[in-house]
Amino acid sequence: EVQLVESGGGLVQPGGSLRLSCAASGFTFSSYWMSWVRQAPGKGLEWVGNIKQDGSEKYYVDSVKGRFTISRDNAKNSLYLQMNSLRAEDTAVYYCVSPDGWGQGTMVTVSS
Amino acid sequence: QSVLTQPPSASGTPGQRVTISCSGSSSNIGSNYVYWYQQLPGTAPKLLISRNNQRPSGVPDRFSGSKSGTSASLAISGLRSEDEADYYCAAWDDSLSGRVFGGGTKLTVL
Repeated sequence: EVQLVESGGGLVQPGGSLRLSCAASGFTFSSYWMSWVRQAPGKGLEWVGNIKQDGSEKYYVDSVKGRFTISRDNAKNSLYLQMNSLRAEDTAVYYCVSPDGWGQGTMVTVSS
Repeated sequence: QSVLTQPPSASGTPGQRVTISCSGSSSNIGSNYVYWYQQLPGTAPKLLISRNNQRPSGVPDRFSGSKSGTSASLAISGLRSEDEADYYCAAWDDSLSGRVFGGGTKLTVL
């Protein structure tokens, strides 16, 4: 069974940084593209970005380009999201997503 | 405003069949697979339909997906109270080089 467990969320001031992690199990992590998707309070889903199996290709939504970086460690079955220059509009639950499963999400709140 | 267009709400009575539409363009639905997700209140989304019409194991056959041109639909037959949830469509967009979601449809079982 696919299991994805996010961690690293919390309260951060505008302009600050945060690193999210996702521990994957139950499938061959290194064989799949992985994504981050976020959901602002009371809003719909927004794709943040994704990364190829070997990390050689990455894509991001325009609103986070230059500020967020996705990476992965296939030896540790882990996915990461480094978030810099955070803004109030980045406040959301961030989900780690595989082709067949979603994590439970981790809340990121950007506020002074 | 979402790239993929869904009706904000839908409703039906138990046992009924309801459909939820998802409209896009040639750069997304027209040339890529469509996926559907179900989000029950207070929980994370769950994959309901992959690659236009494939049900992952464990998803009841009451749920079905279809695609035609630049539009897709999710059909739910034999509606149950536990189907009350938000439903989202998604597809890759070649022009944006990114994944796009519909705005979501809130399904109410009357």
